[in-house]
Amino acid sequence: EAQVTQNPRYLITVTGKKLTVTCSQNMNHEYMSWYRQDPGLGLRQIYYSMNVEVTDKGDVPEGYKVSRKEKRNFPLILESPSPNQTSLYFCASSLSPGYNQPQHFGDGTRLSIL
Amino acid sequence: GDSVTQMEGPVTLSEEAFLTINCTYTATGYPSLFWYVQYPGEGLQLLLKATKADDKGSNKGFEATYRKETTSFHLEKGSVQVSDSAVYFCALRKETSGSRLTFGEGTQLTVNP
Repeated sequence: EAQVTQNPRYLITVTGKKLTVTCSQNMNHEYMSWYRQDPGLGLRQIYYSMNVEVTDKGDVPEGYKVSRKEKRNFPLILESPSPNQTSLYFCASSLSPGYNQPQHFGDGTRLSIL
Repeated sequence: GDSVTQMEGPVTLSEEAFLTINCTYTATGYPSLFWYVQYPGEGLQLLLKATKADDKGSNKGFEATYRKETTSFHLEKGSVQVSDSAVYFCALRKETSGSRLTFGEGTQLTVNP
């Protein structure tokens, strides 16, 4: 089944403790992206990747890192999480960066930073 | 910058009622337009899309037409079901700006039996 898989689905942790949210897609998609969803603010892009080894900042990149060493994986790294990073996170991918390509979303990761 | 505005929710309807969720956008160039649906506890699923002016996207009884003259992409369904209860997001995508999706804030729809 074609899908985007995120782990973990839920995580409660404390300020400053490094964490990684994994994202993997099995559709051979070139483009991958991370969004966060917050009440009243909708979904905002954190980082994106046009292809392997090519990543760039989205609208809200502060406090996050990403890497794209393999086509299928695009982990999101919080080196020193803070409470303002408590949010619902979604990984997404599309066949290409083309504007007419829909992005396919994972089921989300709910992070709570205490 | 680019933006998407959706009608405010929540929207509550009875089963078999007609649904319209308004969506307007502001963008330079020629974006593609999408409707996504989010069921409780799940990720966003693509509902339909339109890539150029006057295109009509349709899926599962939902329809939306890309109207460049009014910069709109309103979602409609003739007869809603309880299972349509979800949050609906309108979004646009361009090849500039990191090829990101720009989302509206979402509209919560509840359909009562």
